[in-house]
Amino acid sequence: LAKTTQPISMDSYEGQEVNITCSHNNIATNDYITWYQQFPSQGPRFIIQGYKTKVTNEVASLFIPADRKSSTLSLPRVSLSDTAVYYCLVPISGGYQKVTFGIGTKLQVIP
Amino acid sequence: DAGVTQSPTHLIKTRGQHVTLRCSPISGHKSVSWYQQVLGQGPQFIFQYYEKEERGRGNFPDRFSARQFPNYSSELNVNALLLGDSALYLCASSLAPDTNEKLFFGSGTQLSVL
Repeated sequence: LAKTTQPISMDSYEGQEVNITCSHNNIATNDYITWYQQFPSQGPRFIIQGYKTKVTNEVASLFIPADRKSSTLSLPRVSLSDTAVYYCLVPISGGYQKVTFGIGTKLQVIP
Repeated sequence: DAGVTQSPTHLIKTRGQHVTLRCSPISGHKSVSWYQQVLGQGPQFIFQYYEKEERGRGNFPDRFSARQFPNYSSELNVNALLLGDSALYLCASSLAPDTNEKLFFGSGTQLSVL
């Protein structure tokens, strides 16, 4: 099973770049790494997904080393509205979408 | 376009009762998954349905059941409610049931069992 490990919490000042690293030592060959953001009392929201090297969209960047045993979500110049829980997801083996959300990383952006 | 819609948004039940939660996926999405999120924890997978068939089941007791209708909407049923069933129940839809498909979540149903 591809289990993920990420920091429980992080604090950052507004305007700074935030990097959240997730380890997934047993990721399967065909699996992608996906990150979601969740605000209180809302469902998770897709942020970014990648397989290897670097992926960038309008919200974040995702860095994945060659061995794919970890990945780093990078949020540029965070604002107070980025305060949320961030989840790193890797599918459970056996197909389909039996994804496991860990506790996630609670990011607190400070003014 | 409408996102994933769930009803009701909030629900209060007492122990032993039964509850039905409903989910309408994004138009065109044929896969629906259900998750339970207890306060302070990440969502836990309960069921996945695709084309009206169960494609996956998480580690939940038989008190939990679900089904998907021809229009791809879905219901989650929980019988004999326990205090520990109090949680945010999330529905997610996707185009296909593949493992790397992007999931689109609704805002959830907050269930309180007294």
